[in-house]
Amino acid sequence: SQKIEQNSEALNIQEGKTATLTCNYTNYSPAYLQWYRQDPGRGPVFLLLIRENEKEKRKERLKVTFDTTLKQSLFHITASQPADSATYLCALDITQGGKLIFGQGTELSVKP
Amino acid sequence: DTEVTQTPKHLVMGMTNKKSLKCEQHMGHRAMYWYKQKAKKPPELMFVYSYEKLSINESVPSRFSPECPNSSLLNLHLHALQPEDSALYLCASSPNVRDTEAFFGQGTRLTVV
Repeated sequence: SQKIEQNSEALNIQEGKTATLTCNYTNYSPAYLQWYRQDPGRGPVFLLLIRENEKEKRKERLKVTFDTTLKQSLFHITASQPADSATYLCALDITQGGKLIFGQGTELSVKP
Repeated sequence: DTEVTQTPKHLVMGMTNKKSLKCEQHMGHRAMYWYKQKAKKPPELMFVYSYEKLSINESVPSRFSPECPNSSLLNLHLHALQPEDSALYLCASSPNVRDTEAFFGQGTRLTVV
């Protein structure tokens, strides 16, 4: 069956450290993968999109890698801050026609 | 304007009621989506519209009826819902259905009593 799995439901880290979140998928060959942030009671907010021919993408303190051989994406937040505390979701368009499916999310908590 | 606006923010309805959720965007996006999200779960795709035509229906029960009157508006008509349909309903839009990020609204918190 087709699956998108994020490595943990919750991740607790100390302020200033790097948070690393993992997204694994099976039985897909996505052309791109996306990461979103969601705060409680609010809609997801787009963070980064990485295409299959891109190994790495950066935006300020965020970095995403995409390994189509391992079928895995890693999402890094460097110099993490308490304001980074949220749920982070990876998403794939499994049909390349708008069927955007989300992993179950990782709830990140950054402690001061 | 980079917003997707959803109304109402909260809705309580009885199982015999008919109500509608509304979604509006003025970014010129040609793809619009409805998602359902239960607590502590990821958003679950319901419908996709591309150029005002329904392109994906994820086997959603007929008590949910989507409508796209024009390229800026998306409605979700609700009828004879069940308590288990209580959830956060999210609308999203994107420039098209391929290779682009989605912009989400803040959602409508629906409670069916």
